[in-house]
Amino acid sequence: EAGVAQSPRYKIIEKRQSVAFWCNPISGHATLYWYQQILGQGPKLLIQFQNNGVVDDSQLPKDRFSAERLKGVDSTLKIQPAKLEDSAVYLCASSLRTGLDGTQYFGPGTRLLVL
Amino acid sequence: QKEVEQNSGPLSVPEGAIASLNCTYSDRGSQSFFWYRQYSGKSPELIMSIYSNGDKEDGRFTAQLNKASQYVSLLIRDSQPSDSATYLCAVVNAGNMLTFGGGTRLMVKP
Repeated sequence: EAGVAQSPRYKIIEKRQSVAFWCNPISGHATLYWYQQILGQGPKLLIQFQNNGVVDDSQLPKDRFSAERLKGVDSTLKIQPAKLEDSAVYLCASSLRTGLDGTQYFGPGTRLLVL
Repeated sequence: QKEVEQNSGPLSVPEGAIASLNCTYSDRGSQSFFWYRQYSGKSPELIMSIYSNGDKEDGRFTAQLNKASQYVSLLIRDSQPSDSATYLCAVVNAGNMLTFGGGTRLMVKP
């Protein structure tokens, strides 16, 4: 079974530029998550999708971050414009179910450096 | 108060010893608890899940849950240098939201 795929693996941009990340979840997984992990911290949930609908985006900085999952499969996360504090690893995860028994499987992450 | 708290460490144990990792959570309605392992530069991988009070064993790993005291722990028996990693506690709260702690860095010394 193929795992969660993410691209690019690394990205370096200057502040105020825009950037986009892509994620393809495990086949058949209805729930998709985007996390931000700053060095030395645990992952912080940015947005959770159930199929192509948003379940939770309470911690997504909506003035600069946006995410979509149009066909209920792959997803993109965009940052526009980027700030220095956005430097982090962006992790995508997917699960077969949500909530109580929703074991999440993580992709390799995209490491973003904003200069 | 953070929702899920862990001591950041590092926790240093000699090879062959028992490593004990602890986590406390604030939401009494939490029902699901997970331990993830994250090697440096890698993504988290699930090692244990626990839903009921008591102990759950899987190989060298034992997860312990005490809902009354709102803590969950992970014991690693016969620790190996390959166990050196950051261990993340994650909790699904009453609102069905998964929250991660900051992680505890474990170092197993040969």
